[in-house]
Amino acid sequence: DAGVTQSPTHLIKTRGQQVTLRCSPKSGHDTVSWYQQALGQGPQFIFQYYEEEERQRGNFPDRFSGHQFPNYSSELNVNALLLGDSALYLCASSLAMRGPYNEQFFGPGTRLTVL
Amino acid sequence: SQQGEEDPQALSIQEGENATMNCSYKTSINNLQWYRQNSGRGLVHLILIRSNEREKHSGRLRVTLDTSKKSSSLLITASRAADTASYFCATGLRMDSSYKLIFGSGTRLLVRP
Repeated sequence: DAGVTQSPTHLIKTRGQQVTLRCSPKSGHDTVSWYQQALGQGPQFIFQYYEEEERQRGNFPDRFSGHQFPNYSSELNVNALLLGDSALYLCASSLAMRGPYNEQFFGPGTRLTVL
Repeated sequence: SQQGEEDPQALSIQEGENATMNCSYKTSINNLQWYRQNSGRGLVHLILIRSNEREKHSGRLRVTLDTSKKSSSLLITASRAADTASYFCATGLRMDSSYKLIFGSGTRLLVRP
């Protein structure tokens, strides 16, 4: 049973560029959440996707957008990259029907460096 | 902004000793979860405690929750060098039809062999 997978593992971009990160949820899961983790900090919630719609969003600008596909996989897009966007981006999957007592399973993350 | 604050920020102990980490949060919660992270990689889920539970055990882990004080603690007994990692508490918050986790800033645990 494959867990949550993310690609790529590492990415280096320059300011102003755009980036797309990908996530495949754990088998059987239908909900994907994205988190940003700056160095030395805890993860910060970016947004959550369920039924191909953004259900909830954290305090992130519109430069951050996402998408969920019919197979539940998801993409995170960041436009006009800033140096401050350098971070580990984590994807987590869960099962919506379990409600608020569900565990979120995290992928290994994508480390983005913006130069 | 982050909901939880872990205390201490860093902890160094000898192998075999117990490690205790505390977490405080600000708002009402549905549950509280503890995660471990090795070397800035993915988070590993350790334990979930519901808001109506006071204590939960899993192997060498013991978690307590005091909703009146808005605090939780994670105890790792008989620590091992492999327990060296960052530990995060995360409060589960249900909003409308969705649910998110709000993480604290973490405790960095070093277990010396």
